Amino acid sequence: AQSVAQPEDQVNVAEGNPLTVKCTYSVSGNPYLFWYVQYPNRGLQFLLKYITGDNLVKGSYGFEAEFNKSQTSFHLKKPSALVSDSALYFCAVRDGGNYQLIWGAGTKLIIKP
Amino acid sequence: KAGVTQTPRYLIKTRGQQVTLSCSPISGHRSVSWYQQTPGQGLQFLFEYFSETQRNKGNFPGRFSGRQFSNSRSEMNVSTLELGDSALYLCASSPLRTSGASSSYNEQFFGPGTRLTVL
Repeated sequence: AQSVAQPEDQVNVAEGNPLTVKCTYSVSGNPYLFWYVQYPNRGLQFLLKYITGDNLVKGSYGFEAEFNKSQTSFHLKKPSALVSDSALYFCAVRDGGNYQLIWGAGTKLIIKP
Repeated sequence: KAGVTQTPRYLIKTRGQQVTLSCSPISGHRSVSWYQQTPGQGLQFLFEYFSETQRNKGNFPGRFSGRQFSNSRSEMNVSTLELGDSALYLCASSPLRTSGASSSYNEQFFGPGTRLTVL
C-alpha cells in the first residue's frame, strides 16, 4: 500500500541555521512527490515537486528538496531558516494509478529567533 | 487570477443536520479535490472531480457526497452530521488539461477552507 511518513511531529531550529524536514514514502510505481506549507489559519500552499529529472528540486521561498530513490526519501531543506518559515509542512505522494494524493501527517516547524 | 474560494468560511451545525459546502476553483481549472483536515488525522482525501465526473473517492462513509457543475464549481454535502465531522474542509483545484495519467504532475491550489463545528 502507498504511504507517506513524516517521522517528526515538530522540528525546532534557530534562525539562521539550516533546516531539514523529513519525508519517506512507499509507492508501487514511480513517485510524484510534493511539499506543501500551511501557515496559521490559511490553506495549503505548494512549495515544490519532484516528477523526474534532477534529484535536487528547488522551490518557493528558498526551499529545496532532495529525492533519494534508494532511501525512498524526499527531505525538505533550507540553508538558512527564517522566523517566518514557522508553519506546518506536509509531504505528499501521488499514486499515478488513481491520481489520489497521499499525505503525510505534517511536521510543525518552529524557528526561534 | 482569483484564487480558490470556499463558502462559507465558518459553519456551526448540530448532530443530525446536513450541510453543503461550496468551492469555486481558479478560472480554467477543471479538477477539484476535497479534503478533511483534523488535528488527529491530518489531511484525508474525500473525493476528486474532473469535468463533472467523480474519478476518485477516499475512504469516507456515504454520508459524504459531492458534485461538480459544468462551470467547474463544486459542492460537497454531509448528511446526518456527527460530532466527529468537526474539521476544516479544504478544496483544491488543479490545472489539468486531460483526465489522463499526465495529470498527476500538477500541483494543487488550495482554498482557505470551511471550518465546520458540529455540536
